[in-house]
Formats: sequence, structure tokens, C-alpha cells
Amino acid sequence: NAGVTQTPKFRVLKTGQSMTLLCAQDMNHEYMYWYRQDPGMGLRLIHYSVGEGTTAKGEVPDGYNVSRLKKQNFLLGLESAAPSQTSVYFCASSPPGLAGDNTGELFFGEGSRLTVL
Amino acid sequence: GQNIDQPTEMTATEGAIVQINCTYQTSGFNGLFWYQQHAGEAPTFLSYNVLDGLEEKGRFSSFLSRSKGYSYLLLKELQMKDSASYLCAVMDSNYQLIWGAGTKLIIKP
Repeated sequence: NAGVTQTPKFRVLKTGQSMTLLCAQDMNHEYMYWYRQDPGMGLRLIHYSVGEGTTAKGEVPDGYNVSRLKKQNFLLGLESAAPSQTSVYFCASSPPGLAGDNTGELFFGEGSRLTVL
Repeated sequence: GQNIDQPTEMTATEGAIVQINCTYQTSGFNGLFWYQQHAGEAPTFLSYNVLDGLEEKGRFSSFLSRSKGYSYLLLKELQMKDSASYLCAVMDSNYQLIWGAGTKLIIKP
């Protein structure tokens, strides 16, 4: 049982390049999230999905796009990378609660460290 | 605005007890969560409080006072492996988690 897997683990980009981060979970969770974590700041939500085929914007969505074509996968795209997007990116998933709401118990991937030069 | 405050860093001694505080101001409240994050690793879920009072789970306990917008995480019988960052998060009225910046706990022998 792998849990939540992110690829790649590390990447260096030049300003203006594009890339896609892949997140896969094998727990059959409905909810999936992309966060970024920067020094001295809390985790910030970029985009999230409450089910296959649905996505929504989080706190800091600008410069990113996402897709959830399959329930187990959640892709994060950087259209034109900027140095401000240098960060550690975490994908997470969670099952819905009994009422279909967010339980708040997130299962995180190991993170993807992105540097934009 | 929404705000989660917790100390940036704390130091404690192996075998001792440490209390990490978290205060919050959010739009609505649907629960408070504590996560542990070792350096270079992913956060992992520790505890959840939605009602006032103390929740105990082994060496770790978490307390909540909704009227005061306050929580603490209590770690007993500290071990070197407890050296990590501890993240406080509150679920707001939209069922989204608002995260604090984390408290780095350093354990000394």
C-alpha cells in the first residue's frame, strides 16, 4: 500500500518553462489537494478536488492549473514557471466524512522540491 | 482575516514534558488539527479536537477551548524522535484547513 505518491521528487526549472507534478493515491479517497510550503509560512492551498472530474481554486491558485481525470490521480501544472514558485509542493488526499464533508485528516505525499532559476 | 499563531521554535529536554500553544481567529470553526512534520518529510496527522476539552492519545494530548480560540499540544516523556515541527490547523466554515506556520521542537539529551 503506497499511500500518496508524488513525482518528481526534485526538479529545477528555468523561468518560463512549464512542468507537471503528478500525484497518485491508492486509498480510493475522494478529496485531493495541492499545497505549497514555504519557510516561515503555513501550508497554502493551491487547488483541490472533491471528486473525479472536479477541481476548485484554493488560496493561491494563480500560475497553476490542475486536472483530475481519474479518481486516483491529481496533476498540478505550472504554465510558465517564475522564481516565486520555488517551493516544496505537497499533494494530499482525504476520505469524506459520514456527511460527505471534509474530515480534515489528510494523507500527504513526500513532497516535490521545485527550484525556479 | 484568518490567522493561526504558534511559537516558531521551542526547546525541551529528553524525558520532560512540553506544551505547544496555538491561538486562532478564523471564519467559522469545524475542528482543530495537529500534525507532526519531521524535517524533509510529509506532515502526518496527530490529533483532532472539535469539542472543548482534552483528547489523550498515548504520550500526546491535545486541548481545545473554542471560547478562547486556543489549543495546545502536550507531549510527555519526550524522546529524541519527537524532534519535529508541529503544525496547528483549523477547519473553517468552508471546511478548508487554515494552517499555522508550525513550531519547530528541538529535543536535547
